[in-house]
Amino acid sequence: SQTIHQWPATLVQPVGSPLSLECTVEGTSNPNLYWYRQAAGRGLQLLFYSVGIGQISSEVPQNLSASRPQDRQFILSSKKLLLSDSGFYLCAWSQRAGETQYFGPGTRLLVL
Amino acid sequence: GQNIDQPTEMTATEGAIVQINCTYQTSGFNGLFWYQQHAGEAPTFLSYNVLDGLEEKGRFSSFLSRSKGYSYLLLKELQMKDSASYLCAGALQTGANNLFFGTGTRLTVIP
Repeated sequence: SQTIHQWPATLVQPVGSPLSLECTVEGTSNPNLYWYRQAAGRGLQLLFYSVGIGQISSEVPQNLSASRPQDRQFILSSKKLLLSDSGFYLCAWSQRAGETQYFGPGTRLLVL
Repeated sequence: GQNIDQPTEMTATEGAIVQINCTYQTSGFNGLFWYQQHAGEAPTFLSYNVLDGLEEKGRFSSFLSRSKGYSYLLLKELQMKDSASYLCAGALQTGANNLFFGTGTRLTVIP
């Protein structure tokens, strides 16, 4: 069966500091991978998606970047965090476009 | 663009039935997902409707009408553990970034 991991679970960072969140998927190959952000009281916002190694598409202009160095690894980064980057970050995978997306446990980020 | 509307909050009594509605507007619609999200946790998949009609899975059922741009999630025999947010998400026909989510309906089940 497939599993998806994210870490860390919780992170408190000062404004201006860097960020690296990691997501890995097990039990599948060549998945589509997604990064979402969920701000308090708001819906899921798609930040990035990837259909393969090194292939990243950005959905919204922002302070963040993503990379996919390996087939089942997806990383979300920032060089300098902003207060507005606070939120619940969710990684998800699907086998193909149009199929169900399955979410990881999420990382709660608080920027102070 | 795409748009999804669902009520922000609902309250229902333990043991009762509740229906959570969702309306959507988009071109290239392929189907509709429902996810459950408990506070502080990740969304978990509940159902996916592609064809019109009702699909039942135990206490949960989901309905889709493509001509009306309308779906609902029906929860029967409500339990306290059903208190959660329920997210409606539309799927597009093309593109890997093919889900667009509503803001979710927070359901509170009271004794």
